[in-house]
Amino acid sequence: NAGVTQTPKFQVLKTGQSMTLQCAQDMNHEYMSWYRQDPGMGLRLIHYSVGAGITDQGEVPNGYNVSRSTTEDFPLRLLSAAPSQTSVYFCASSWSDTTDTQYFGPGTRLTVL
Amino acid sequence: KQEVTQIPAALSVPEGENLVLNCSFTDSAIYNLQWFRQDPGKGLTSLLLIQSSQREQTSGRLNASLDKSSGRSTLYIAASQPGDSATYLCAVRRSSASKIIFGSGTRLSIRP
Repeated sequence: NAGVTQTPKFQVLKTGQSMTLQCAQDMNHEYMSWYRQDPGMGLRLIHYSVGAGITDQGEVPNGYNVSRSTTEDFPLRLLSAAPSQTSVYFCASSWSDTTDTQYFGPGTRLTVL
Repeated sequence: KQEVTQIPAALSVPEGENLVLNCSFTDSAIYNLQWFRQDPGKGLTSLLLIQSSQREQTSGRLNASLDKSSGRSTLYIAASQPGDSATYLCAVRRSSASKIIFGSGTRLSIRP
């Protein structure tokens, strides 16, 4: 198993550009989520999904969209990038949304100029 | 609103020492608490998961305890090694929603 994979590893955008961060898992996990990590603030939940076709907002959803058309994939879209979205983004998955260990991808480091 | 705090933010100890990392949370109604390790530039690796009905979990040199009534968890690392140097984060899953709240982490450095 590859586990949780994320692409790209690094990305630089200009303000106003859009892009999609990719996340895929091969463990048949139902629950997937996106976090951003900023210095001194820990990880904050952006969006999450409890299964294909079902998504919901986390703590900091503004400026981001998600969709879950398959169990394996959970892309995160930045609609119009802003410097405040400069961060490291992590995707995670688990069997269930309450009791199981979360598995994290390696992260995408995004810089918005 | 659940808040998770980890103090200190950074810790440096000599190799071989036993050490304790602290995590506190404000709302005792939790489903579980998880400890993660994060190496520089990498993702998070789960170390231990404690369900709300459990008091502790052990894995090798690591032991995590949970005291819901006082809103505390500790991660005990025995016989520390330079390879233990990393940032350690605790995360609490709330009882009322499928969301995890993370602490900001403790950056641990083990001096050879």
